[in-house]
Amino acid sequence: DQQVKQNSPSLSVQEGRISILNCDYTNSMFDYFLWYKKYPAEGPTFLISISSIKDKNEDGRFTVFLNKSAKHLSLHIVPSQPGDSAVYFCAADQGGKLIFGQGTELSVKP
Amino acid sequence: DGGITQSPKYLFRKEGQNVTLSCEQNLNHDAMYWYRQDPGQGLRLIYYSQIVNDFQKGDIAEGYSVSREKKESFPLTVTSAQKNPTAFYLCASSIDLWRNYEQYFGPGTRLTVT
Repeated sequence: DQQVKQNSPSLSVQEGRISILNCDYTNSMFDYFLWYKKYPAEGPTFLISISSIKDKNEDGRFTVFLNKSAKHLSLHIVPSQPGDSAVYFCAADQGGKLIFGQGTELSVKP
Repeated sequence: DGGITQSPKYLFRKEGQNVTLSCEQNLNHDAMYWYRQDPGQGLRLIYYSQIVNDFQKGDIAEGYSVSREKKESFPLTVTSAQKNPTAFYLCASSIDLWRNYEQYFGPGTRLTVT
């Protein structure tokens, strides 16, 4: 049973506009969430995280929002740039182990 | 430069052969992990290790084995018992297992078994 779900396999956005990537989870015990970015044939790189005591965390162009009641988090990228084109994974921390979603492939078009 | 190295980047094996994937880190991290990624799927945890000489099964450990004889090294053996070994394998490390630290990933090894 998938505890962390990213229901959109792909997203296409125009350069300069906002990209919104979504992630849902089922386990209300999760208290720490992370977003990773991955290019083909490379390892994921950490982007941004959020603890369940917060509902928003911002780092430059990247903002993560957490809605605990809906068990939903989202990653906003604004403005989107062509270099942001990659697969984005959300993950939930379960006692030091990460549970990953399936990933969303973002394509930012010039 | 601190980081995680995985070698080789591409590996080809015949069915029925065991193969060992290497993972080395010089970040002085206690915890290390192995994941596999298949097309259209997220990363799935194979094994993880909190400290030297200790490791635990992840969600898909069948057909795999690991060792952790040194803090820096966490090799993964894909045995002939693994039914679908062709995948992209990723090694990761973190400062420790029990606090909310991000994991750092290596560049991965793509294993193809024919």
